[in-house]
This record gives sequence, C-alpha cells and structure tokens, in this order.
Amino acid sequence: GQQLNQSPQSMFIQEGEDVSMNCTSSSIFNTWLWYKQDPGEGPVLLIALYKAGELTSNGRLTAQFGITRKDSFLNISASIPSDVGIYFCAGRGSGNTGKLIFGQGTTLQVKP
Amino acid sequence: EAQVTQNPRYLITVTGKKLTVTCSQNMNHEYMSWYRQDPGLGLRQIYYSMNVEVTDKGDVPEGYKVSRKEKRNFPLILESPSPNQTSLYFCASSSVWGAQYFGPGTRLLVL
Repeated sequence: GQQLNQSPQSMFIQEGEDVSMNCTSSSIFNTWLWYKQDPGEGPVLLIALYKAGELTSNGRLTAQFGITRKDSFLNISASIPSDVGIYFCAGRGSGNTGKLIFGQGTTLQVKP
Repeated sequence: EAQVTQNPRYLITVTGKKLTVTCSQNMNHEYMSWYRQDPGLGLRQIYYSMNVEVTDKGDVPEGYKVSRKEKRNFPLILESPSPNQTSLYFCASSSVWGAQYFGPGTRLLVL
C-alpha cells in the first residue's frame, strides 16, 4: 500500500533558526497537505498543495509540491517558541475514496 | 466560523457500556472521517463517509460503527467498548478532494 516517510523524526533548534522537513511517498500523490498539532489538540491545516511544482507560503511557512509528485517539503523561517509542536504531512493519491495517507510526524522543539 | 465540533472532549467509561461520540461540521462538506491517534502509531482511519448514507471502512474499523443520516453529522458509535479502544479520536471533514479540517479531539479512556 501507499506509504509516507517523513523526516526528520524530531528537531531541537534555537529560536531564529530556519527549519526544513520533508515527506516522500512510494507512489504518486495528487494532493499534499501540511498540518501542525499541539499536544491533545486536533491537527490544524497549515498549507494545501494541489499541483506538481506548486510553491505556497503562509507567513513564515513555505511548502512545495515536488515535481515528481512523490515528495513535498515544509520550511519554517526564523523560528519562534510558538512553532513548537508536531508537524504532519499528508498526501492523497488517485484512488476514488478521498483517503489521506499521513506521515509519522516531525516533533519540533525551539529553544528560546 | 467554519469548524468541526466533537463531543464530548473527554470521556471515561467502563468496558461494555455503549457510547457515542458526536461530530458536526458547518462547512457543507461531503466527506467526513474518523481517526484514532495512538503513540507510535500515528493517525489511523476508522471509517469515512463520502456523502449522506454512504459510509465505508477505513484501516481499523473493528469495534466501531458510524452513520451519516445528515450531511453535517457523523457520529462514532462504540457498541461495546474495550480497553484497547482507549485512544484520542478525531473527526475530520472536507470537500471530496479538498483539505481535511479536524475537530478538537475526544480523549477516551475505557476501564
């Protein structure tokens, strides 16, 4: 079945540093989504990507839909303490169920 | 405000006592889904619905039931809860090919 590999698994960085994380798939996706989850809360949508090569920004966050349609990355610039949390990628393939495949998450910690 | 709501947010129950977790969305989305999240296992889909009266099993449907009688509501039913259903549950909704929006979660403890 479809699998997503998300890396890194965790990051511990200094406030002000830039962050990069990525997801790769074993198969082609038509949609890539990036979410952030705070402990005990629901995932919150950060960025949605629908076209290969698409580059989209949301404030200090930038995400890209890879040209091969098998990968996506998320960058966070000038990190701040409230960026702490778990970041998930999710992808949707060409099946007719609308099902999302989720990465395992990247835990981000920011040292003030 | 566009949102997905779940109730209750926290629930402690005992083995075998039927319970229902409600989910409602106000975005007129066709697609709704239930997930459970467990440490080390990530988000796993329980059931999903493509539209009213259309439901199907996800990856971990055993022990759960759902119904979709109205577009906005998608309740999750545990007929006879067991301790291995202790988990954090999320409802989500979307247009069929759009981004999913998640509810705040329901933390369930089955004793």
